[in-house]
Amino acid sequence: DSGVTQTPKHLITATGQRVTLRCSPRSGDLSVYWYQQSLDQGLQFLIQYYNGEERAKGNILERFSAQQFPDLHSELNLSSLELGDSALYFCASSARGNMNTEAFFGQGTRLTVV
Amino acid sequence: DAKTTQPNSMESNEEEPVHLPCNHSTISGTDYIHWYRQLPSQGPEYVIHGLTSNVNNRMASLAIAEDRKSSTLILHRATLRDAAVYYCTGGGSQGNLIFGKGTKLSVKP
Repeated sequence: DSGVTQTPKHLITATGQRVTLRCSPRSGDLSVYWYQQSLDQGLQFLIQYYNGEERAKGNILERFSAQQFPDLHSELNLSSLELGDSALYFCASSARGNMNTEAFFGQGTRLTVV
Repeated sequence: DAKTTQPNSMESNEEEPVHLPCNHSTISGTDYIHWYRQLPSQGPEYVIHGLTSNVNNRMASLAIAEDRKSSTLILHRATLRDAAVYYCTGGGSQGNLIFGKGTKLSVKP
């Protein structure tokens, strides 16, 4: 158990819909990272938050947005969903804002868009 | 961002050592080298990380070349539970982890 909790574990939704994925980081960790993993793309970095502020942005689509709340949990919002958005979405947390320390990943949310 | 190159796959026999190589010639001087592994349908699991000198923990050892252009993850005695995809990753320019394709390790009994 990494200590990072992601909900829900599975999500099935229709094209055009909007969903919210939730992540609770390990106790004490200030950074949250979101990754997307599909079969043909591997693990793609989406976005990082550190202590409530956006810290780094990767290949995140404009239809996707995220935020980190004062209690440090984070949500990833995916809207106008397309079939190609079907993937595993992982959240990770680390103690600091840089990568001088290890990151811990949750078990992921499997999103299926039909 | 640091780009990493790893073999697509490797095989090992159970209870033998495994050396997983990684080239990261574009890594910056201050970026740590991280290794993670992932089982099917599970989140990546932290294995080890280091900056310049060799590192050891209960899971593995990490040998970093003096010029930092490559590193090797060493599993001292492979078990069936070590079969996974192993990712070598350098820190991204913005302080995040950039993953490549990884090495799929198979362990034969």
